[in-house]
Amino acid sequence: DAKTTQPNSMESNEEEPVHLPCNHSTISGTDYIHWYRQLPSQGPEYVIHGLTSNVNNRMASLAIAEDRKSSTLILHRATLRDAAVYYCILKQGAQKLVFGQGTRLTINP
Amino acid sequence: EAQVTQNPRYLITVTGKKLTVTCSQNMNHEYMSWYRQDPGLGLRQIYYSMNVEVTDKGDVPEGYKVSRKEKRNFPLILESPSPNQTSLYFCASSALGTEETQYFGPGTRLLVL
Repeated sequence: DAKTTQPNSMESNEEEPVHLPCNHSTISGTDYIHWYRQLPSQGPEYVIHGLTSNVNNRMASLAIAEDRKSSTLILHRATLRDAAVYYCILKQGAQKLVFGQGTRLTINP
Repeated sequence: EAQVTQNPRYLITVTGKKLTVTCSQNMNHEYMSWYRQDPGLGLRQIYYSMNVEVTDKGDVPEGYKVSRKEKRNFPLILESPSPNQTSLYFCASSALGTEETQYFGPGTRLLVL
């Protein structure tokens, strides 16, 4: 399973943008980049995914580097409810998700 | 509403007393999976199923059994629980495909004394 590297923790202020980085230097051409998050006392939930192009949805944006060796999850205007552990996962073919330690995001009021 | 349900949500039991944690999804998903989450170890896959009557081991299958007799249900069975199976358990489901997202249940917190 291809590996990702994320900072252990990040902190931001409410209503400000948040950029969560992920390095995946061993990514292969068919790996999709998926992001999930886990709010306190809940199961993980899907955030966004992409292959090569930048992606937007109602929750976030995903910016993928041209060489695909890194990506950034962007929360445009963080709220207190966005405080969670964010996981960057490479998915290739198989259904299995391999979770790393993720980034614990703290939002200050 | 699309969802994955798990029961029970909380369970305290004693060593050796067989138990079953149920998991059900209403999205007609082919793929279902069980994970356990432990501090410092993250989420690890126990077993998964690609369809009815098709199950396979994940990364930490020892001490667990599963069955998939119906598409919507994927129970996790602990025949003889031990204290090292004290953990937070999540069931998940998805359609098949690299782009498909997984939907997770709310979790079952198990304490084995």
